[in-house]
Amino acid sequence: KQEVTQIPAALSVPEGENLVLNCSFTDSAIYNLQWFRQDPGKGLTSLLLIQSSQREQTSGRLNASLDKSSGRSTLYIAASQPGDSATYLCAVSSGGSYIPTFGRGTSLIVHP
Amino acid sequence: EAQVTQNPRYLITVTGKKLTVTCSQNMNHEYMSWYRQDPGLGLRQIYYSMNVEVTDKGDVPEGYKVSRKEKRNFPLILESPSPNQTSLYFCASRSLGHDSGNTIYFGEGSWLTVV
Repeated sequence: KQEVTQIPAALSVPEGENLVLNCSFTDSAIYNLQWFRQDPGKGLTSLLLIQSSQREQTSGRLNASLDKSSGRSTLYIAASQPGDSATYLCAVSSGGSYIPTFGRGTSLIVHP
Repeated sequence: EAQVTQNPRYLITVTGKKLTVTCSQNMNHEYMSWYRQDPGLGLRQIYYSMNVEVTDKGDVPEGYKVSRKEKRNFPLILESPSPNQTSLYFCASRSLGHDSGNTIYFGEGSWLTVV
């Protein structure tokens, strides 16, 4: 069974720092991996989707990479802003089932 | 606009009073799923459906029922709610085809309190 781990569980940084959030998974036979953002008490907003054949995806200040062989994905946030404060979750969909497995998320606070 | 719509968004109910949380998607997605989210426990899957009339248990199905009579709708039914079902509930959907990237879409969430 696929297991997804996100480290760190919580992170507090000053505004302007470049950040790396990590997502590890145990079964490398994945179909795709998706990063989400969740504001407190709100729904999940999709940030980036990486197919298994891709190495990275970029959107604005966000860059997500995928290394299937090591079972890792990283979400890089450049020049962090207070508005980036949220919980970031990754979801790994295994090949064949399409059923996503979610990590527990990294809670990020960016303070001015 | 691609949407997953849940109703109600907020509900306070009493123990034992049957309730249904509706979920509807407008993207013709095959896959739909219900999750509950509790502090410290992350997202836990309750039930999922791969297509019409095809449903299966997730990790925490006890106390819940679902049905998938139409492709767009996937209601979550609590026959006899109990206080331990107080939680934030999410419905999600995705296409199982290969033409859309298979992005997962989430509803806004339904806050349920059982007293």
